[in-house]
Amino acid sequence: GENVEQHPSTLSVQEGDSAVIKCTYSDSASNYFPWYKQELGKRPQLIIDIRSNVGEKKDQRIAVTLNKTAKHFSLHITETQPEDSAVYFCAASVRGGGSNYKLTFGKGTLLTVNP
Amino acid sequence: DTEVTQTPKHLVMGMTNKKSLKCEQHMGHRAMYWYKQKAKKPPELMFVYSYEKLSINESVPSRFSPECPNSSLLNLHLHALQPEDSALYLCASSPFPSGRPSYEQYFGPGTRLTVT
Repeated sequence: GENVEQHPSTLSVQEGDSAVIKCTYSDSASNYFPWYKQELGKRPQLIIDIRSNVGEKKDQRIAVTLNKTAKHFSLHITETQPEDSAVYFCAASVRGGGSNYKLTFGKGTLLTVNP
Repeated sequence: DTEVTQTPKHLVMGMTNKKSLKCEQHMGHRAMYWYKQKAKKPPELMFVYSYEKLSINESVPSRFSPECPNSSLLNLHLHALQPEDSALYLCASSPFPSGRPSYEQYFGPGTRLTVT
């Protein structure tokens, strides 16, 4: 079935450093790639997404890059702050049966930003 | 109103109980979802409703029964659950029906379910 691999599973950085999380996907038909941030005890929150017609998207300190040929996409956080500490999930849209689509999630990355 | 709301926040039930989880959105979204999330794991899709019709069932056991009474409401009826069903149950909604391949999903705060 469709698969999304996410690395690393844990990432610890110093405040002010950059953090990069990488995902690969297997379904070449996937064309939508969101990233979610989930703080402890809270809901997953959509922080940025990218569609297959662009290679990069940026929103302040957060950017996402997509390489459709290699089937991988990455989340980049610059100037990290302690409040960036959370679990980050990547996802890819895949066929869900019939003409429907669903999101398949990576296993998550626990990011810790040390003050 | 730009939120997905869920009730209750916490639920403890015995294996012989019947209970229901509720989800509501007033954003005019066309698709609604139920996910199950275990600790330190990603959300796991259970059901998708698109235009109030069930479009995806991820082979979920029949002790979980979804219902979509109208375009704003989504219920999950629970009966004869097992302790391993204890998890965070998340509802989500999307502006577009599930037949569209590129769509954002917005999650509710979840119901923390404990089955004793």
